[in-house]
Amino acid sequence: EVQLLESGGGLVHPGGSLRLSCVASGFNFNDYAMSWVRQAPGKGLEWVSGISGSGSNTYYADSVKGRFTISRDNSKNTLFLQMDSLTAADTAVYYCAKARYDFWSGHYGMDVWGQGTTVTVSS
Amino acid sequence: QSALTQPASVSGSPGQSITISCTGTSSDVGTYNFVSWYQHSPGIAPKLMIYEVNKRPSGVSIRFSGSKSGNTASLTISGLQAEDEADYYCCSYAGFNNLVFGGGTKLTVL
Repeated sequence: EVQLLESGGGLVHPGGSLRLSCVASGFNFNDYAMSWVRQAPGKGLEWVSGISGSGSNTYYADSVKGRFTISRDNSKNTLFLQMDSLTAADTAVYYCAKARYDFWSGHYGMDVWGQGTTVTVSS
Repeated sequence: QSALTQPASVSGSPGQSITISCTGTSSDVGTYNFVSWYQHSPGIAPKLMIYEVNKRPSGVSIRFSGSKSGNTASLTISGLQAEDEADYYCCSYAGFNNLVFGGGTKLTVL
């Protein structure tokens, strides 16, 4: 079964850091680009970041550029999101999602999603 | 990029058809044929329903269809069923490797 399982969410103080993980199973992880998408309380979905299958190309939304770092360990079928300088605006459920090709292809549709991990930034 | 504009809610009775609009600009929906639609219910992973404006992934019911005209994309669900009740989000390519989502539409099946 194709599956994505996020972890690493929690409560963090403003200015703090958190590292999210997403373990993939059921498909050849390194053959597909991956993405992080978030949903703040009461808000819609927001694309956060994307990475190519090899990990050599990374992309970020303006709202997180310079603060978040996406990476992947293909030997462990795991996607990461390092989040630094967190603010209350980063409070959200964070989803990892699989793109349909190995190059950054979130715009072709993301066909597998995890159930999300919750990040709360509060003092 | 600003979020795409969707109606906050739509409703319909079982068996009816409904259409959800998604309005963007010439910088996203109007220029690129990369509009996708996602179904999302609380506590459940989002599901891809339509990609590249009007293509259906394997396993998605033919009752779901997508289209685009100018800066507005649309998702139509025909033969509405109770199981279709969920939030629906459109998503468009916005250039420079960016994606932009809509604010979401809550579909209620009466």
